[in-house]
Amino acid sequence: EAGVVQSPRYKIIEKKQPVAFWCNPISGHNTLYWYRQNLGQGPELLIRYENEEAVDDSQLPKDRFSAERLKGVDSTLKIQPAELGDSAVYLCASAILHFRDTGELFFGEGSRLTVL
Amino acid sequence: GESVGLHLPTLSVQEGDNSIINCAYSNSASDYFIWYKQESGKGPQFIIDIRSNMDKRQGQRVTVLLNKTVKHLSLQIAATQPGDSAVYFCAENYMDTGRRALTFGSGTRLQVQP
Repeated sequence: EAGVVQSPRYKIIEKKQPVAFWCNPISGHNTLYWYRQNLGQGPELLIRYENEEAVDDSQLPKDRFSAERLKGVDSTLKIQPAELGDSAVYLCASAILHFRDTGELFFGEGSRLTVL
Repeated sequence: GESVGLHLPTLSVQEGDNSIINCAYSNSASDYFIWYKQESGKGPQFIIDIRSNMDKRQGQRVTVLLNKTVKHLSLQIAATQPGDSAVYFCAENYMDTGRRALTFGSGTRLQVQP
């Protein structure tokens, strides 16, 4: 079974430029997460989707970050414009969970963003 | 691949020894805990989980212990192997204003010396 697929693996951009990350979750997983991981720290949740609905986006900096999950499968995370402090690894995870459930999250390998 | 972290607490053990990685969690309302392993350049990989109604849970070569009184979680790895070298994160899960929140700790780097 294929795991969570993310692209690109690496992206280097100048500040103020836009950038987008793509995630294909494990087939059949209804819940999708975007996390940000700064160097030396644990992942921090940005947004959680249950099917097409963003059920938790309280940690997403909405002035410059946006996300979508069309048709409840693939998802994109966009930053516009990027700032130096956005340099991090952006992780996508998926699971078969409902809003109040707990359980294992399956992570992709991440997209490493460097903003110059 | 890129390094997960440059200034993480580090535990160095000899191959074959047992390892114990500790984690202090923050929320007394947390009812589910997970340990993840993250190798350089990869995403976190699930190791083992435990619910708050349990004190101990065992997997293959791994054991998780939960002490709710002092909000402490530990991961024990038996007969540590070079392939166990990675950064280990604990994560706590709790209900917050009607939504589930999974919060990760800052991680511990495990180095296994051959």
